[in-house]
Amino acid sequence: NAGVTQTPKFQVLKTGQSMTLQCAQDMNHEYMSWYRQDPGMGLRLIHYSVGAGITDQGEVPNGYNVSRSTTEDFPLRLLSAAPSQTSVYFCASSYNRGLNSPLHFGNGTRLTVT
Amino acid sequence: TQLLEQSPQFLSIQEGENLTVYCNSSSVFSSLQWYRQEPGEGPVLLVTVVTGGEVKKLKRLTFQFGDARKDSSLHITAAQPGDTGLYLCAGEGGAQKLVFGQGTRLTINP
Repeated sequence: NAGVTQTPKFQVLKTGQSMTLQCAQDMNHEYMSWYRQDPGMGLRLIHYSVGAGITDQGEVPNGYNVSRSTTEDFPLRLLSAAPSQTSVYFCASSYNRGLNSPLHFGNGTRLTVT
Repeated sequence: TQLLEQSPQFLSIQEGENLTVYCNSSSVFSSLQWYRQEPGEGPVLLVTVVTGGEVKKLKRLTFQFGDARKDSSLHITAAQPGDTGLYLCAGEGGAQKLVFGQGTRLTINP
């Protein structure tokens, strides 16, 4: 099984450019989420979705948009990139958000904004 | 906002030594999870602890959830180079959100 697939693995943007980070899972998971990982700050939740058509904000949502038109896909959009968005982005999914439903992570997208 | 503080942030020890990593909060969590992350990869779940005082063992790794469900510890016995990685604790803080600590970067030297 592919699990959680993120593309691209690396991306360099100029300030003000827009882009979409792709995330797809083939495990029929209802819950999907996006985190950013910065040195010394752990993983911070950007947006999450508990099912197709439903999204909600996490801890650091500003500057990011998401949509969930299908169960499989959960793209993250940067409308106008800023240097503060330089980070490693992880997509994660789980069957639901119950206690016995572990998060499965993709291998991340390393984004640099110059 | 519920916060999880991990200590130490960095730990470098020799193969065969024992170590303990701590995850503390002033908030109560309904459960805590421990993940390990290797370079270039996403975190992978090691264990979930749910009940206050619960102890779970995974080979040489022992995980404990505090009685008040505000803290957790990870103890590794006879550390091996394969244990090297970033260890993250995460708490189920409610509202379907998982809150992560900042991580402990562990290096085991041969």
